[in-house]
Amino acid sequence: EPEVTQTPSHQVTQMGQEVILRCVPISNHLYFYWYRQILGQKVEFLVSFYNNEISEKSEIFDDQFSVERPDGSNFTLKIRSTKLEDSAMYFCASGGNTNEQFFGPGTRLTVL
Amino acid sequence: QKEVEQNSGPLSVPEGAIASLNCTYSDRGSQSFFWYRQYSGKSPELIMSIYSNGDKEDGRFTAQLNKASQYVSLLIRDSQPSDSATYLCAVRSSASKIIFGSGTRLSIRP
Repeated sequence: EPEVTQTPSHQVTQMGQEVILRCVPISNHLYFYWYRQILGQKVEFLVSFYNNEISEKSEIFDDQFSVERPDGSNFTLKIRSTKLEDSAMYFCASGGNTNEQFFGPGTRLTVL
Repeated sequence: QKEVEQNSGPLSVPEGAIASLNCTYSDRGSQSFFWYRQYSGKSPELIMSIYSNGDKEDGRFTAQLNKASQYVSLLIRDSQPSDSATYLCAVRSSASKIIFGSGTRLSIRP
């Protein structure tokens, strides 16, 4: 069964450093998403991406965040200058023509 | 502020019994509703989606939707220890954004 994959599984970085989280969505999906989950809290929407552009973003997704689909398979989330409060699990999700969204295993980001 | 509310639990159910999980949502215009299962330290796994009023069954799982009451529920029949997890209710509030509840922790006791 096709699934969303994410790398790395765990990323440790120093405050102020840039990080890039990578995702490979399910191959025939056209809609891509990033969510995050701070430990013990809700899953929160960050951004959705369709047809090579952002279709919706939350208040969390400020100028420090960006997304890109650099080729036909990868979907990335960049955080330019990480803050302590960016520490969380980051989930990539993808969806096809239904409304359903399928999540990857996540990247645990730890900012020191 | 669009909200999805769930009882945090824990909900303890004996093995073999029916587990009933409930959720309410605030946005009356919502059209798509989902239940995800999340094991500790893992990602959300889609179990059920429901779009119209009534019941939808898939194996041991039944999702129920009542748009007039803004209420979604999930029934798990013949509960198994492997069903012990956090169950997330999720509502699609716009063209792309899903809003999640905080989840209900379910524990199946042998």
